[in-house]
Amino acid sequence: EGQLLESGGGLVQPGGSLRLSCAASGFTFSSYTMSWVRQAPGKGLEWVSAITGSDGTTYYADSVKGRCSISRDNSKNTLFLQMNSLRAEDTAVYYCAKKGRIGAAGTNAFDIWGQGTMVTVSS
Amino acid sequence: DIVMTQTPLSSPVTLGQPASISCRSSQSLVHSDGNTYLSWLQQRPGQPPRLLIYKISNRFSGVPDRFSGNGAGTDFTLKISRVEAEDVGVYYCMQATQFPLTFGGGTKVEIK
Repeated sequence: EGQLLESGGGLVQPGGSLRLSCAASGFTFSSYTMSWVRQAPGKGLEWVSAITGSDGTTYYADSVKGRCSISRDNSKNTLFLQMNSLRAEDTAVYYCAKKGRIGAAGTNAFDIWGQGTMVTVSS
Repeated sequence: DIVMTQTPLSSPVTLGQPASISCRSSQSLVHSDGNTYLSWLQQRPGQPPRLLIYKISNRFSGVPDRFSGNGAGTDFTLKISRVEAEDVGVYYCMQATQFPLTFGGGTKVEIK
């Protein structure tokens, strides 16, 4: 069974930048699409971004497009989220999540989640 | 974007009694590959989400069989046959048929 461990969160001023990391273990990281999902305090889940394992194709929510960049280092089993021009509304716990597969068929469901890293944007 | 609407917002349930959560999508979740990528997640207090059900009705590994999912097209349901104390938390439906991926607003299951 795999594991994900996020890091890099913290307090940042509006307009600032942060780089989140997610270290993966226990599965063949390069074979899976990975996503970032966030949760503002007391609120629901919001998908942020995804990157495929095979060719590194990226996808973004409109709320972060142009301000965030997802990437991965398959040699280090690590997922990243570079966040720029941060706003108060970006304050949230950021989770990384793995898209599942049963046999050769994708489930398109997040079967492994990290514990999350908190990002607080405030002056 | 596909909007996911869950009802009810809150579901107080007596231990041992059933619970049911509805999720409706603003458009069909049938993918061009023929699959319907609707999943259900549970988030216990202070914990990250956990996958319960994928592709409408498939229980994920280790999920008790008191959890079941059904539905088609735009209307889906998660059922808990007999609620146990450990089932307290917020339940989310999620569609992954098209980007952006979207979640329902969540349903809080609590014990009466």
